Formats: sequence, C-alpha cells, structure tokens
Amino acid sequence: GQNIDQPTEMTATEGAIVQINCTYQTSGFNGLFWYQQHAGEAPTFLSYNVLDGLEEKGRFSSFLSRSKGYSYLLLKELQMKDSASYLCAVSDSWGKLQFGAGTQVVVTP
Amino acid sequence: DGGITQSPKYLFRKEGQNVTLSCEQNLNHDAMYWYRQDPGQGLRLIYYSQIVNDFQKGDIAEGYSVSREKKESFPLTVTSAQKNPTAFYLCASSTTSGIYNEQFFGPGTRLTVL
Repeated sequence: GQNIDQPTEMTATEGAIVQINCTYQTSGFNGLFWYQQHAGEAPTFLSYNVLDGLEEKGRFSSFLSRSKGYSYLLLKELQMKDSASYLCAVSDSWGKLQFGAGTQVVVTP
Repeated sequence: DGGITQSPKYLFRKEGQNVTLSCEQNLNHDAMYWYRQDPGQGLRLIYYSQIVNDFQKGDIAEGYSVSREKKESFPLTVTSAQKNPTAFYLCASSTTSGIYNEQFFGPGTRLTVL
C-alpha cells in the first residue's frame, strides 16, 4: 500500500513564497504528481517528477527525492488566485494514483 | 475540443434509490477512473478500467458498480448499498503507454442523498 502525508493548511501573504511538503511510502513508484484544486472544481495538473531534482515551471517548482520519499511544491510570488487545495499524488507501477489529503493554501492580502 | 464531461453537475437522490453518474471522454484514452472526494479529504479510488470490457475495484468499491462497454464511456452506479453516498464524484482518464500517465479530470458531480 501507499501512505501520502502533507500538511492540512498553510497561510501566506500575497507576493510571498510557500513550500508544501509531501512525504510518501510506496510499494511501487512511477512518478509523483502535483495538482491544484479550487473549491468545487476538478483538479488541474501542475507538475510531474519521476527523477530526483527540481522541475521549474514559471512561478511553480517541484522537487523530488526518491531515496527520502519526499517532494515539495514551491509557489513563488503568490497571488490571490493561488488560494486553493494542492494535492500530492504518487503513481504506482500500474499507473494508478494514490492521493494525499491535500494542503489548503490561503493567500491573504 | 478534447476533454472529459460528467453529467449532471448536481444530483439529488432519495435514500434507497440507485443513481448513475455519466462520464464521457474524447481524448482517446484507454484508462478511466472514478474517485470520491469528501470535504477536507483527498481523492479515493472507487473503480478503474484500463481497457474496454475490463475494470478493477479500487480502494472503496463497496456499494458502487461500473461498466466499460465503450472506450469513451465509463458510467458509475451508486447503489442503495452504499451507506454514505453524499460526496463529490470525479471521473478521470489517462493513457496507458509509457511511464508518464497524467490523469485528466472531468468537472465532477456533486451527489446529495436526501
């Protein structure tokens, strides 16, 4: 089985940086996804890591360390529209995703 | 435009009734998935299908049933045996070739049992 842990909520000020950590224990690993989900809407893809290291995409970056079972999502230059839930999901050997409970990010003015 | 559609967006049902949620995709994806999301929780896998006419139980399949008669369609039936069916239901699809298997999600159906 798989266990995915991420903080429940984080609050940050507009323009600041926030780092959302995700730790996982898996019986198979085929990559780690980060999704953004606004309330009542579908999750949308943010990033994918399968090799160790940092992937940068505009204001969002994601890091993976497979040996430590650890990833983080870095959100820079926070905007009010970034207020959402951020889901960490690990892909197993069969392509199924196991999701964490999500981290609610609250951006304040 | 390619994508995944789910209908209806909101659904109300009386206790003891079965209800079917629709999911259609035109992305030519082989794999399709059904998830349930409760407030403050992540997505939990109900059923998935990697090919037509075949499907597998996920982590919380009890009280649900599915069919996969066409590649484009993967309807979910919430039966009266599901003890707590009120939730947000999300359908997703993905390719099955290679390592990279991003799942694309439909807009979701919010089911409320009265």
